[in-house]
Amino acid sequence: GQQLNQSPQSMFIQEGEDVSMNCTSSSIFNTWLWYKQDPGEGPVLLIALYKAGELTSNGRLTAQFGITRKDSFLNISASIPSDVGIYFCALAGNQFYFGTGTSLTVIP
Amino acid sequence: EAGVAQSPRYKIIEKRQSVAFWCNPISGHATLYWYQQILGQGPKLLIQFQNNGVVDDSQLPKDRFSAERLKGVDSTLKIQPAKLEDSAVYLCASSLGSEAFFGQGTRLTVV
Repeated sequence: GQQLNQSPQSMFIQEGEDVSMNCTSSSIFNTWLWYKQDPGEGPVLLIALYKAGELTSNGRLTAQFGITRKDSFLNISASIPSDVGIYFCALAGNQFYFGTGTSLTVIP
Repeated sequence: EAGVAQSPRYKIIEKRQSVAFWCNPISGHATLYWYQQILGQGPKLLIQFQNNGVVDDSQLPKDRFSAERLKGVDSTLKIQPAKLEDSAVYLCASSLGSEAFFGQGTRLTVV
């Protein structure tokens, strides 16, 4: 099956700090997705990327589709307590493949 | 626009009992997915429907799990009999293109 490596596995940061997480895949796909999952909820789509090199922002979130089409990163600027949750990268092919998640804790 | 609806939100059953989950996808979304998410892991696909046909059920433990999507809209996922290792969150998602939208999930605890 598709291998999706997501790192880091967890992060503990101070409120106001910037955050960066990334994913790499073993194959080339045409669409990268980033989701956030709050405790007890389903994943919510944050950003979708469709072209190699594409850089897309959604408020304090910025994501990029790597040039090689095998990687993507998600940055969160000036973190706030409500950023707490688990962030998943995903690839869209015949189905959706998910990374293992990055658990983010923001310390006020 | 209404999102993906799932019920129940929580379910606790004893092992060897049966359980069923229900999903109503976003209106017009032809593709529906059932995922299993074990604590600390990403969602794992169980079954994918395109309209009312099965596209991929290679990861579905067919000896105990079954799913159907009658009329190409709502779907039900059933487990019979349940095992302790089936304790997980069961997520339903739907898509029209290359973006999947998830319901809130059903948290199943098998004791």
